[in-house]
Amino acid sequence: DTGVSQDPRHKITKRGQNVTFRCDPISEHNRLYWYRQTLGQGPEFLTYFQNEAQLEKSRLLSDRFSAERPKGSFSTLEIQRTEQGDSAMYLCASSFREGGYTFGSGTRLTVV
Amino acid sequence: AQSVTQLGSHVSVSEGALVLLRCNYSSSVPPYLFWYVQYPNQGLQLLLKYTSAATLVKGINGFEAEFKKSETSFHLTKPSAHMSDAAEYFCAVTQTGANNLFFGTGTRLTVIP
Repeated sequence: DTGVSQDPRHKITKRGQNVTFRCDPISEHNRLYWYRQTLGQGPEFLTYFQNEAQLEKSRLLSDRFSAERPKGSFSTLEIQRTEQGDSAMYLCASSFREGGYTFGSGTRLTVV
Repeated sequence: AQSVTQLGSHVSVSEGALVLLRCNYSSSVPPYLFWYVQYPNQGLQLLLKYTSAATLVKGINGFEAEFKKSETSFHLTKPSAHMSDAAEYFCAVTQTGANNLFFGTGTRLTVIP
C-alpha cells in the first residue's frame, strides 16, 4: 500500500484553461475527500465521496469545479475556466471510517 | 457549528526546549480532534488523534496532546524540540457522522539551534 497518490504534483496553467487532477486513494478506503489550501491557511473542505456517490459539496465548490469518482476507486477534480483565485494546493484524503483520514501530498496549482 | 482556533501563528523554540502549540475547539457535540504536521510543499501527516478514548493521546515523533473538555482545548506538546520538528502544524475537529474536517489556520514552528 503506497498511501494516497495525487497527480500531478505541480500544475501551471494560463487563466481560462481547464485543468484536471487525479487522486488514487488507499485501496480499501471507501471514503474520499478533496480539500483546498491557500497560502497561509488551513485546508478547506471541498467535497466528499462514499464509494462512487458524491454525498457532500461545500459552497466553495463553484459551478466551475466538478469532481467524480466513477468506479469508487480513483477520483478526478476538474476546474474549468481557471481564475487566478484558484491558485492553491489541492489535497485529497481517504478513509475507511470516521477519524482515519490519510492525506496525499497534494497538487499545487498556479494560474498565471 | 464546529471550529478550531490556533493561538499563535508562529512559535519559536530553542532546540531541546519544550514545544507547546495551542488549540481550542468549538463543538456542540463530543468532538474528534486531530493534529497534523505539514512540511513545505507536502501533504498533511497525522501526528495524533482523539476519538473519545483516553484524554491523553500519544502520537508519533514524541508528540502528545491532552483533551480538556472543561477548557475546550487540545494543546500539542513535546518535551524536547528537535530541528526536524520545524514545520507547520494544524489542529482539526470533526464529529461523529460528519464528513469533513475543520482545520485551524496553522502554527508555524521554528526551532532555533
